[in-house]
Amino acid sequence: GQQVKQSSPSLTVQEGGISILNCDYENDMFDYFAWYKKYPDNSPTLLISVRSNVDKREDGRLTVFLNKSGKHFSLHITASQPEDTAVYLCAAPQGGSAKLIFGEGTKLTVSS
Amino acid sequence: NAGVIQTPRHKVTGKGQEATLWCEPISGHSAVFWYRQTIVQGLEFLTYFRNQAPIDDSGMPKERFSAQMPNQSHSTLKIQSTQPQDSAVYLCASSSHWYQDTQYFGPGTRLLVL
Repeated sequence: GQQVKQSSPSLTVQEGGISILNCDYENDMFDYFAWYKKYPDNSPTLLISVRSNVDKREDGRLTVFLNKSGKHFSLHITASQPEDTAVYLCAAPQGGSAKLIFGEGTKLTVSS
Repeated sequence: NAGVIQTPRHKVTGKGQEATLWCEPISGHSAVFWYRQTIVQGLEFLTYFRNQAPIDDSGMPKERFSAQMPNQSHSTLKIQSTQPQDSAVYLCASSSHWYQDTQYFGPGTRLLVL
């Protein structure tokens, strides 16, 4: 079964708005959560990650919120720019392992 | 720092042929991962090595896929008797530490099996 799930395959946001990307997970043993960004025909690159001992982490325009009781984490991008247009993949390592389980991805389009 | 290097970038094979994909991790990184990306399945884990030792190959199709890491500077993924369903982008990644660390991905090898 899909242990990490992104239910929205696509999202369109106006330039300057807030993009909110969501990810649900099944395994409550997950203790590290990451968001990767992928441009077409390019490889994923890490945007931001958070460990399970915190509920929130900010880095510039990016904020990750972690809701452990709801098995949910999200990525908020403020002041969205056209260059934020990409596929965003959430990921978590399978309990105690280093291997990442990725969500299906959400294609974000920021329109100017 | 050249990043993770993967060769070849593109490979076309006929059904039943063998394909060998190469990965050179970032120097000094202790963990090397192989993933496969397809439109249908997304990004799937295949196998990983820590300090050259195979740790987890739970994502590998057992019969035709194998991976090795003979030294700290390269890893190979070999697919025997390739099938059209093996067509995918194969991504190699490395990380400095094996757990809860940034995985840096290479550009990938796009394999097409005709």
